[in-house]
Amino acid sequence: DSGVTQTPKHLITATGQRVTLRCSPRSGDLSVYWYQQSLDQGLQFLIQYYNGEERAKGNILERFSAQQFPDLHSELNLSSLELGDSALYFCASSVRPLAVQYFGPGTRLTVT
Amino acid sequence: GQQLNQSPQSMFIQEGEDVSMNCTSSSIFNTWLWYKQDPGEGPVLLIALYKAGELTSNGRLTAQFGITRKDSFLNISASIPSDVGIYFCAGQFGGATNKLIFGTGTLLAVQP
Repeated sequence: DSGVTQTPKHLITATGQRVTLRCSPRSGDLSVYWYQQSLDQGLQFLIQYYNGEERAKGNILERFSAQQFPDLHSELNLSSLELGDSALYFCASSVRPLAVQYFGPGTRLTVT
Repeated sequence: GQQLNQSPQSMFIQEGEDVSMNCTSSSIFNTWLWYKQDPGEGPVLLIALYKAGELTSNGRLTAQFGITRKDSFLNISASIPSDVGIYFCAGQFGGATNKLIFGTGTLLAVQP
């Protein structure tokens, strides 16, 4: 158990819908990262937050957004969902930028 | 999205055999990490490497940070059935962004 929690574990929704994925980092970690894992693209970095502020952006679509709240939990919002958005979404946390990242168990999103 | 070249893509071995896998990149990294992922779970950190030439062990696992900082390898000695899973390398640039660039993964199957 990495100490990073993610909810829900599974999510099934229809195209065009909007979903919110939630992540609670390990106790004491200030930095949160979101990654997407798909069969064709592998594990891809989406976005990073540090102490409530966006720190870095990766291959995140404009339909996706994220935020980190004062209690340090983070949410990833995916809107206007398409079939290709079906993937595993992982959250990771680290005590500070450049420190080792620990991954949560992931949320499996299926868009039908 | 960017992925590191990882080989072999898959390995099917007998229990007790040694395993070697490697990862190469066209980019120079500050840190190399090796993760293991079990089905339906998030990546779990195995070894982190911080200096070119560094050789680090974690039980039966040994990893090295290449001299050129563009490659890394992971060895598993005396494999056991619970070593089954997908192994990923990841490179980290450091600096303003802490994002991880992941390898394509090596699927390891161990036959008792």
